[in-house]
Amino acid sequence: DQQVKQNSPSLSVQEGRISILNCDYTNSMFDYFLWYKKYPAEGPTFLISISSIKDKNEDGRFTVFLNKSAKHLSLHIVPSQPGDSAVYFCAASASSGSARQLTFGSGTQLTVLP
Amino acid sequence: NAGVTQTPKFRVLKTGQSMTLLCAQDMNHEYMYWYRQDPGMGLRLIHYSVGEGTTAKGEVPDGYNVSRLKKQNFLLGLESAAPSQTSVYFCASSSVAGLKQFFGPGTRLTVL
Repeated sequence: DQQVKQNSPSLSVQEGRISILNCDYTNSMFDYFLWYKKYPAEGPTFLISISSIKDKNEDGRFTVFLNKSAKHLSLHIVPSQPGDSAVYFCAASASSGSARQLTFGSGTQLTVLP
Repeated sequence: NAGVTQTPKFRVLKTGQSMTLLCAQDMNHEYMYWYRQDPGMGLRLIHYSVGEGTTAKGEVPDGYNVSRLKKQNFLLGLESAAPSQTSVYFCASSSVAGLKQFFGPGTRLTVL
């Protein structure tokens, strides 16, 4: 049973517009959430994160929103650029002794059209 | 500063063959991880290590073994490869358990 779900396998957006990527989770013990970006033939790279004590975190064009009651987080990219075209993974972590692990969603392929 | 490197980048095995994937990091990170990525399934944790000489099972450990003899290296072994192990394997490291992880470029493994 997937604890972290990204229900949209793909998303296309026009350059300059907003991209909104969504992620849902089921485990209420998750207290830290991250977004990773992955280009073809490369490893994922960290993009932005948020702790469960916050509901918003912003870094330049990227903002992550967390709605704990709905167990939902989203990544907003404004304005979207062609270089943002990549697969985006959300990940969640729960404290478990000394062994925190990340649980990943299945990813959303974002295509930004020029 | 190379970050996280993986060797080899590509490999083709026949069923039953064995191989070892090498991961190296130069960031002095305590924590290291091995993941596999399959289409439509995201990244799944195979094994991880919380420090030199320690290893632990992740979500999908069957068919794999690992060793962390040196802090900077984390080895993933396949003793008897099966077609179900065809995948892209990623190694990662972090200074804080489970949080911001740095990934290597991946190893694409095909088992015939």
